Amino acid sequence: NAGVTQTPKFQVLKTGQSMTLQCAQDMNHNSMYWYRQDPGMGLRLIYYSASEGTTDKGEVPNGYNVSRLNKREFSLRLESAAPSQTSVYFCASSDPLMGSYEQYFGPGTRLTVT
Amino acid sequence: AQSVTQLGSHVSVSEGALVLLRCNYSSSVPPYLFWYVQYPNQGLQLLLKYTTGATLVKGINGFEAEFKKSETSFHLTKPSAHMSDAAEYFCAVTPGAGSYQLTFGKGTKLSVIP
Repeated sequence: NAGVTQTPKFQVLKTGQSMTLQCAQDMNHNSMYWYRQDPGMGLRLIYYSASEGTTDKGEVPNGYNVSRLNKREFSLRLESAAPSQTSVYFCASSDPLMGSYEQYFGPGTRLTVT
Repeated sequence: AQSVTQLGSHVSVSEGALVLLRCNYSSSVPPYLFWYVQYPNQGLQLLLKYTTGATLVKGINGFEAEFKKSETSFHLTKPSAHMSDAAEYFCAVTPGAGSYQLTFGKGTKLSVIP
């Protein structure tokens, strides 16, 4: 039971390049989330998917797109990376429809945009 | 709307001393409350949660927290700090009732002095 997995662990991009961060969970959760973590800012929600087939914007969605590929997988895409997107990105999952509100987090992806 | 305030971005304690990390929240409805721990270069791990029922909640690694509705607080304590407790701690709140989002505090970094 791996929980929430994320790939890659580290990535360096040049300004303007694109990339997709992958996330998968094996807990059969309905909801999945993407956060970014920056020093002194805590965790900020980028996008979430309440259930398979739905996605919604969070607090800081600009510059990102997401895809809920199936119940297990939720990807985050940067179409044209900017230095301001240098951050640590976390994926999480939970099952609020089943009354389980705690979120379980992946290990994170450290992204540097030069 | 929910909000979380963690008093003190950095707390230092001596090994063996009491750990007290403060969390105050605002919520228009009875909240669900969580504490997470983040070790360096890792994701967030759930320490404990309050949903309903007993207001004193015990978690992993000897931590506990008490929900005090009158004070809108959910402070995290541990009687005796260990070197391995050095990490960043996040308090989070959700209104429940099918809500998909957690609101996180900005975190408190705990240092343990030998």
